[in-house]
Amino acid sequence: AQSVSQHNHHVILSEAASLELGCNYSYGGTVNLFWYVQYPGQHLQLLLKYFSGDPLVKGIKGFEAEFIKSKFSFNLRKPSVQWSDTAEYFCAVNVRNTDKLIFGTGTRLQVFP
Amino acid sequence: NAGVTQTPKFQVLKTGQSMTLQCAQDMNHEYMSWYRQDPGMGLRLIHYSVGAGITDQGEVPNGYNVSRSTTEDFPLRLLSAAPSQTSVYFCASSYSDIAGNTIYFGEGSWLTVV
Repeated sequence: AQSVSQHNHHVILSEAASLELGCNYSYGGTVNLFWYVQYPGQHLQLLLKYFSGDPLVKGIKGFEAEFIKSKFSFNLRKPSVQWSDTAEYFCAVNVRNTDKLIFGTGTRLQVFP
Repeated sequence: NAGVTQTPKFQVLKTGQSMTLQCAQDMNHEYMSWYRQDPGMGLRLIHYSVGAGITDQGEVPNGYNVSRSTTEDFPLRLLSAAPSQTSVYFCASSYSDIAGNTIYFGEGSWLTVV
């Protein structure tokens, strides 16, 4: 069965620090990859997605993610975080040509001024 | 467009009570699904539907029923609520095209079973 691992459960940073959140998946076939963000008290919002093409994907609010097929990874990065980035971040994988979306357990990010 | 609409937003139930979480989408998406979100466990798929009249089980289906009589609606029923079903529930709908699968989430329903 497919699975998604997010090894960082809780990350605490100061403003302006750089961020990298890890995401690894287990599936040998073709996948679509997503990062979702959930701000406190709100619903999930799509941050960015990878379907094909350039493995470096740029999303909203300065986030980007790099798909490394050989490592089955799709890590999320941001060069300089802001207090408003405090949220929970979920990596998700969709096996191509199916409708199921499998989520990781999430990473809680706290950014302090 | 309203997108994906879930009701109610908040609900408190007593153990053994039944209730239905409503989900509706106005985007004509074939695929709809229900997830529950619990601390440290991320989102887990409860049930999903690939079209009207078709439903299937996800990762954690026990204690929940669904039906899909129309493309727009995908209600989730708790027949006899248990404290373990205290969670935040998200409905989602999606479409697939040549590029992949794009998913839209509702705003969530906070359910407490006492």
